[in-house]
Amino acid sequence: QQQVKQSPQSLIVQKGGIPIINCAYENTAFDYFPWYQQFPGKGPALLIAIRPDVSEKKEGRFTISFNKSAKQFSLHIMDSQPGDSATYFCAASSTGGFKTIFGAGTRLFVKA
Amino acid sequence: DSGVTQTPKHLITATGQRVTLRCSPRSGDLSVYWYQQSLDQGLQFLIQYYNGEERAKGNILERFSAQQFPDLHSELNLSSLELGDSALYFCASSKTSGSYNEQFFGPGTRLTVL
Repeated sequence: QQQVKQSPQSLIVQKGGIPIINCAYENTAFDYFPWYQQFPGKGPALLIAIRPDVSEKKEGRFTISFNKSAKQFSLHIMDSQPGDSATYFCAASSTGGFKTIFGAGTRLFVKA
Repeated sequence: DSGVTQTPKHLITATGQRVTLRCSPRSGDLSVYWYQQSLDQGLQFLIQYYNGEERAKGNILERFSAQQFPDLHSELNLSSLELGDSALYFCASSKTSGSYNEQFFGPGTRLTVL
């Protein structure tokens, strides 16, 4: 119930493509869903986050889509660039809770 | 640069030994989190402290312990080390203890147990 399932494990796209990373959760108490980006040799950094009262959130080329009934959310990267090559983690947490549960991560490689 | 510092950057030790990892949070942040990242496990939450007190516990082994000091820096102690403890250990900090807070991650400590 505390898990966040993330797919795919790895993804290769051409420059300009739109990689999509999917996450699913079981715990309906989760109400905050951040995405973190991690470059090799660095710690993860917050990219974008969404709460379940909206179905979509956009920040620059990054969009989160959220489907509350299906308990799924996904990250879309528009016009992907080689500089977007990194590992992406989805996560979930709940009001009043203190733990953030991370997905297993997706390694994205954007070919030039 | 997130503002979170971790030392040491790398640590190589033998099975059965004990090590201490240190973390200094961003200025003004009261919460510190510890995570373990291994190749096949992703980011595993270990423990959280808020203003010196333990707030949440995750998958932390009994051989591991942590504390947060009055100056808010934190230490993660790993004892009776096993080969499987080899991993990247990240510390993160946030302003308060709630789950909506953005967590700022340090650069990590790479632990290798031989």
